[in-house]
Amino acid sequence: QVQLVESGGGVVQPGRSLRLSCAASGFTFSTYDMHWVRQAPGKGLEWVAMIWSDGTNKYYADSVKGRFTISRDNSKNTLSLQMNSLRAEDTAVYYCARDVNSEGYFDYWGQGTLVTVSS
Amino acid sequence: QSVLTQPPSVSGAPGQRVTISCTGSSSNIGAGYDVHWYQQLPGTAPKLLIYGNSNRPSGVPDRFSGSKSGTSASLAITGVQAEDEADYYCQSYDSSLSAWVFGGGTKLTVL
Repeated sequence: QVQLVESGGGVVQPGRSLRLSCAASGFTFSTYDMHWVRQAPGKGLEWVAMIWSDGTNKYYADSVKGRFTISRDNSKNTLSLQMNSLRAEDTAVYYCARDVNSEGYFDYWGQGTLVTVSS
Repeated sequence: QSVLTQPPSVSGAPGQRVTISCTGSSSNIGAGYDVHWYQQLPGTAPKLLIYGNSNRPSGVPDRFSGSKSGTSASLAITGVQAEDEADYYCQSYDSSLSAWVFGGGTKLTVL
């Protein structure tokens, strides 16, 4: 069965960095585009970043452009999100999600990992 | 301020029909991009409910249906049940932003 398991969340001070990971299993990871979506406490969903199946193209929300970097290792079935210059407004649960055949919607989601940016 | 606009809340008694609207613009829904819907139960990750405007993934009850017209879309729940109490989000793609976008979410309360 398809599984996406995020890790790497925690409490970090403003301006510092954090790296999230998403371990994928149960499907051929290298053939799917992948996304990061976040949800601030008590708020709605916000798309963060997307990477093509082969890693050649990446897209970012304006709110994280220049600070976050999405990457993947298809040999290890792992998706990553490097978050630099973190701000309080980046506090959220971060989900990795699978894109269905590049159709632009998400059929499987991880359970999420909480990132808290606070001094 | 979300790119896609949803009502913050809707409610209905068990067995009633409830609809949730999702209003976009000419750069997303109106540009022909599909609308998808997700259900998020309290404390859990979102779950795909409707894809491609009106298609249900395997396992989603047929009381859930979706439609799209012009710059808007709707999710209908026919015969709402207590277990449907959750937050619902619409999602599409916006060509002006070059971004995948969500509605602000609608909380469904079953009376």
